[in-house]
Amino acid sequence: EVQLVESGGGLVQPGGSLRLSCAASGSTFRSYWMHWVRQVPGKGLVWVSRINSDGSSRSYADTVKGRFTISRDNAKNTLYMQMDSLRAEDTAVYYCTGEAMTYWYFDLWGRGTLVTVSS
Amino acid sequence: DIQMTQSPSSLSASVGDRVTITCRASQDISSFLNWYQQKPGKAPKVMIFAASRLQSGVPSRFSGSGSGTDFTLTISSLQPEDFATYYCQQSYDTPRTFGQGTKLEIK
Repeated sequence: EVQLVESGGGLVQPGGSLRLSCAASGSTFRSYWMHWVRQVPGKGLVWVSRINSDGSSRSYADTVKGRFTISRDNAKNTLYMQMDSLRAEDTAVYYCTGEAMTYWYFDLWGRGTLVTVSS
Repeated sequence: DIQMTQSPSSLSASVGDRVTITCRASQDISSFLNWYQQKPGKAPKVMIFAASRLQSGVPSRFSGSGSGTDFTLTISSLQPEDFATYYCQQSYDTPRTFGQGTKLEIK
């Protein structure tokens, strides 16, 4: 069974950058579409971005389009999110999640990494 | 974007109660509807996918129904470990969207 572990979160000033990583164990990583979902503590789940299984197609929420870039390295079983021009409203726990391509549901979840944007 | 609306936003119930949470989509999403359970400080966990399919390992007291725009999650007999927040989510289109959540609390 594939397990996901996020890293790279932390405190950053407004306008700064962070790169999140999500390392997957197991050999089936490349068979999943991968997403980032974020959650402000105490609030609901919000979809951020998606990349298909071979990395040829990407989508973003309007709130992060042009500032965030999702990518993956299937050889390293790792998902990334480059986050630039960060704003206070990007403060949240970021989860990486794998979407099963049968029935299309978020089957795998990491534990999340907290990103805090503050001066 | 497809809007997902859950009701109620919160619900107080007792162990052994039968509870139902509803989710409405702003357009027809066929059966591309999933339900997740989230406990404080933990990642969400899928309970029901494709509107009515029970995820492996999830107790049979959980069930889902619906298609098109209206969906329900039912817990037939609440257990102490079921008190959590539940989210519906559509996978019919991108962006994937979630309902606002239903917090299930102990009465």
